[in-house]
Amino acid sequence: GDQVEQSPSALSLHEGTGSALRCNFTTTMRAVQWFQQNSRGSLINLFYLASGTKENGRLKSTFNSKESYSTLHIRDAQLEDSGTYFCAADGNTGNYKYVFGAGTRLKVIA
Amino acid sequence: ETAVFQTPNYHVTQVGNEVSFNCKQTLGHDTMYWYKQDSKKLLKIMFSYNNKQLIVNETVPRRFSPQSSDKAHLNLRIKSVEPEDSAVYLCASSSRTGGSYEQYFGPGTRLTVL
Repeated sequence: GDQVEQSPSALSLHEGTGSALRCNFTTTMRAVQWFQQNSRGSLINLFYLASGTKENGRLKSTFNSKESYSTLHIRDAQLEDSGTYFCAADGNTGNYKYVFGAGTRLKVIA
Repeated sequence: ETAVFQTPNYHVTQVGNEVSFNCKQTLGHDTMYWYKQDSKKLLKIMFSYNNKQLIVNETVPRRFSPQSSDKAHLNLRIKSVEPEDSAVYLCASSSRTGGSYEQYFGPGTRLTVL
């Protein structure tokens, strides 16, 4: 079955507001990555976490391997934040095989 | 700054033809991956190679075959393409040393099968 459940599937935000995206894992994961896929289709690295919290500008991400979830917080959303956000989790299989969530389609509205 | 390169960007072909996609990374990584992204944007891993050795081979049709000449290159060949092969194929690389296995992706190759 699916190992990574990502929510919400779609989200609209007004400029200047914020929200959180979440990924729940059904098995123990070694690490998680978050990506933004822009309109050209490129996957942009946002965060890589093996544990804890990282922050970069208006983005903050947390990975809790014990409780099997990760979050991505966006604050003060800007139009260029629009796109699809993916989490990808690396299971403890030793094969470094990442499993992707289904993505969150974010639209930032002026 | 691009460090994972893919060619071609786009490819349109007919059912039954053979296609090949190339991927090269200049990050010095030892592991490379092929992913397929379908029309619903779902990303699924197909293959991964570590130092030219196949380490992940998901359930993909036998007409798909990866080829690695060295750890910086991983190509994908599809013999006799089918309509359901229309998708974006994304190449990625990571390093298995140093404790961080962060993946970096190329821009993708969009395949359309008529």
